[in-house]
Amino acid sequence: DAGVIQSPRHEVTEMGQEVTLRCKPISGHDYLFWYRQTMMRGLELLIYFNNNVPIDDSGMPEDRFSAKMPNASFSTLKIQPSEPRDSAVYFCASSFVGHYEQYFGPGTRLTVT
Amino acid sequence: KNEVEQSPQNLTAQEGEFITINCSYSVGISALHWLQQHPGGGIVSLFMLSSGKKKHGRLIATINIQEKHSSLHITASHPRDSAVYICAVRKGSQGNLIFGKGTKLSVKP
Repeated sequence: DAGVIQSPRHEVTEMGQEVTLRCKPISGHDYLFWYRQTMMRGLELLIYFNNNVPIDDSGMPEDRFSAKMPNASFSTLKIQPSEPRDSAVYFCASSFVGHYEQYFGPGTRLTVT
Repeated sequence: KNEVEQSPQNLTAQEGEFITINCSYSVGISALHWLQQHPGGGIVSLFMLSSGKKKHGRLIATINIQEKHSSLHITASHPRDSAVYICAVRKGSQGNLIFGKGTKLSVKP
């Protein structure tokens, strides 16, 4: 398997623009997690899904952030409108119930100017 | 106060030294994870444990549930071990993790 795939790897955008990050989990995994990493706060959970259903979105910073998982092989994290403080590395991870080890994607480095 | 605390924040060692990184947590957990983040940014899961001790090559992870403490040891350290090591805990039966701030390890040749 190719592992967790994220796109794009780098995104530079201007404040106010919409940003969409994409994730393809490992086939057969039924948990998907979105994390954000910054120098100040480290790694933080934003939202996670089980069997395509959002389970906990309490980490989503505000209404500008939304996440969807329309099927078992694809998820998106959208920021609209983007702000400079959203600049961070966004990681997607997946795991299989009963195993719980999480497999991380390479991350998307987002810069909002 | 953070629910997961790591020490030290930064660690510099000479090649061949024995290294210990500590993690303390303040909540009840179902499992603890040790992750490695390479200088290029990629994150790899090293260990997941809920009791006792696990060993993989030169890496050893231990956990004391009563004391709410875990350690990651690296024997015969090598410059390629240079990375950020992150402790994370899982509180419930679901999969979400709470992370420590990480320990940045630099091993000099």
